[in-house]
Amino acid sequence: QKEVEQDPGPLSVPEGAIVSLNCTYSNSAFQYFMWYRQYSRKGPELLMYTYSSGNKEDGRFTAQVDKSSKYISLFIRDSQPSDSATYLCAMSGYQAGTALIFGKGTTLSVSS
Amino acid sequence: GAGVSQSPRYKVAKRGQDVALRCDPISGHVSLFWYQQALGQGPEFLTYFQNEAQLDKSGLPSDRFFAERPEGSVSTLKIQRTQQEDSAVYLCAASGRLNTEAFFGQGTRLTVV
Repeated sequence: QKEVEQDPGPLSVPEGAIVSLNCTYSNSAFQYFMWYRQYSRKGPELLMYTYSSGNKEDGRFTAQVDKSSKYISLFIRDSQPSDSATYLCAMSGYQAGTALIFGKGTTLSVSS
Repeated sequence: GAGVSQSPRYKVAKRGQDVALRCDPISGHVSLFWYQQALGQGPEFLTYFQNEAQLDKSGLPSDRFFAERPEGSVSTLKIQRTQQEDSAVYLCAASGRLNTEAFFGQGTRLTVV
């Protein structure tokens, strides 16, 4: 079993839909939880990060972390065609210099 | 990614050839990471530098892989005697004191033929 599990999809939704992306993990030492967006042939771009448990909102994006269940989520409201990309969850320990452990990524397609 | 430049963007190498991939982060990024991303997979950790010191190289898949950052800024990932399984996108990420500030370059897509 990999440390971080993420359903690769693909996930197809119509414009305006609410999208839910999820990851589960097994390592209870993870403290930082991040979501990256990666467009085709581009590097990952940091969307949001959360420290420990809780929710964080940024515009149309909401990140949730449930450490008791080892489960994290990213919600996208009012999805747009420009949101079509691969979404990667990533996690790390507290110490600086700790490598990020990524999920496989979920490919999202938003149709207009 | 913001301020992290990688070159070349694409590299085709014949099997057995040596390659060198370059990462140029913006000034002040203490931490530098190399990741390998195979097709359809998430990035996987290769090695970590704090300034010029290579503090973790546990992710390097074989002794054909070598990385350096001699002056604590530009880093080079070298792969000797490339094999087909080395074909992947190689990503460089740089950050300040916290991993949450990590910015990725656009990557170098290596194809070994």
